[in-house]
Amino acid sequence: DQQVKQNSPSLSVQEGRISILNCDYTNSMFDYFLWYKKYPAEGPTFLISISSIKDKNEDGRFTVFLNKSAKHLSLHIVPSQPGDSAVYFCAASHAGGTSYGKLTFGQGTILTVHP
Amino acid sequence: NAGVTQTPKFRVLKTGQSMTLLCAQDMNHEYMYWYRQDPGMGLRLIHYSVGEGTTAKGEVPDGYNVSRLKKQNFLLGLESAAPSQTSVYFCASSSRDSAYNEQFFGPGTRLTVL
Repeated sequence: DQQVKQNSPSLSVQEGRISILNCDYTNSMFDYFLWYKKYPAEGPTFLISISSIKDKNEDGRFTVFLNKSAKHLSLHIVPSQPGDSAVYFCAASHAGGTSYGKLTFGQGTILTVHP
Repeated sequence: NAGVTQTPKFRVLKTGQSMTLLCAQDMNHEYMYWYRQDPGMGLRLIHYSVGEGTTAKGEVPDGYNVSRLKKQNFLLGLESAAPSQTSVYFCASSSRDSAYNEQFFGPGTRLTVL
């Protein structure tokens, strides 16, 4: 049972335009959602997160939107830059001691930003 | 401050051979994790540890064993490697006090089993 899904394996965008990466989840008990970015031959690095009690979180060019009723979140990158080309993973977690910080990841979306 | 390090970076094994992957973190994190990444599958949790001397199974634990004898180290063992274990393995750690359960990842180990 895939609790976190990224249905678009890849996305191609022109430099300067907006990139929108999507993520859907099935478990309504998730408390936090995170986006990770991964370059080839490197480990994933944390990008941005959002709590389930919020609907938007912004950090520079990156904004994450959460629609709890639709169990959907999206990452917007504006403006997109060639250095943003990477694999983006959506992840979700529960709060509380027994979660032990575990994350459930989506399959990833390969973003390519063309100059 | 090196963060999370993994050794080795690459390894080729023959079916039936054994090996141990080492993960070390210098952030004094309580929690540590081992994942495997396969094309189209995202990151799947193999085993995790919530403290020194404790380990637990994740989503895909079969064929792997782990040990955490020291807080800073988390070892992943393959007793009898199979071609299905060809993958990229990532170690991660996180703090018990993290607000969003943010995990910090190592650079990965690319394992090929022939």
